[in-house]
Amino acid sequence: GIQVEQSPPDLILQEGANSTLRCNFSDSVNNLQWFHQNPWGQLINLFYIPSGTKQNGRLSATTVATERYSLLYISSSQTTDSGVYFCAVGGGADGLTFGKGTHLIIQP
Amino acid sequence: DTGVSQNPRHKITKRGQNVTFRCDPISEHNRLYWYRQTLGQGPEFLTYFQNEAQLEKSRLLSDRFSAERPKGSFSTLEIQRTEQGDSAMYLCASSIQTGYGYTFGSGTRLTVV
Repeated sequence: GIQVEQSPPDLILQEGANSTLRCNFSDSVNNLQWFHQNPWGQLINLFYIPSGTKQNGRLSATTVATERYSLLYISSSQTTDSGVYFCAVGGGADGLTFGKGTHLIIQP
Repeated sequence: DTGVSQNPRHKITKRGQNVTFRCDPISEHNRLYWYRQTLGQGPEFLTYFQNEAQLEKSRLLSDRFSAERPKGSFSTLEIQRTEQGDSAMYLCASSIQTGYGYTFGSGTRLTVV
């Protein structure tokens, strides 16, 4: 099956800092989503982005499908950004394969 | 739109017992997914429904697991003869169609003792 690697596995930043999270995948995909899992376990969809660039407030994402990677940018970090960020990929309407996540801690 | 609802939130059961979880997706979403997540790992795909049809099942879904989605509305996931290795968070997600992101529920945390 498809392999998903996320980096870095852990990231500790001060409030106000910017960060870039990376997702590499082993095969072509038709579906790529980024999620944030907050400290209470709720998974929140951030982006559906199988290709191209999208922005939503302080967050943006870019997927270069031909090179099989995606990047999630977080600017001006806030403590509420803490949690685990997952990249998940798939071939279309079927199930997604999740990476192991990046555990982000934003310190005040 | 009340989001994806899962019940119960927590379930503690003895090994060997059967358990059933329920997921109510967002009403206009015709796609429904079940995932399982263990501590420190990303969610793992279990099964997928489009309306009432179960279109895909993971190898993780052993014969002790069964899922249904009667009439294409809510879905149930049953685990028979539970084992300690079944302890995990069971997550349900729905989406309106291909090309749109998932909305996850809060999950059901199962503990098998």
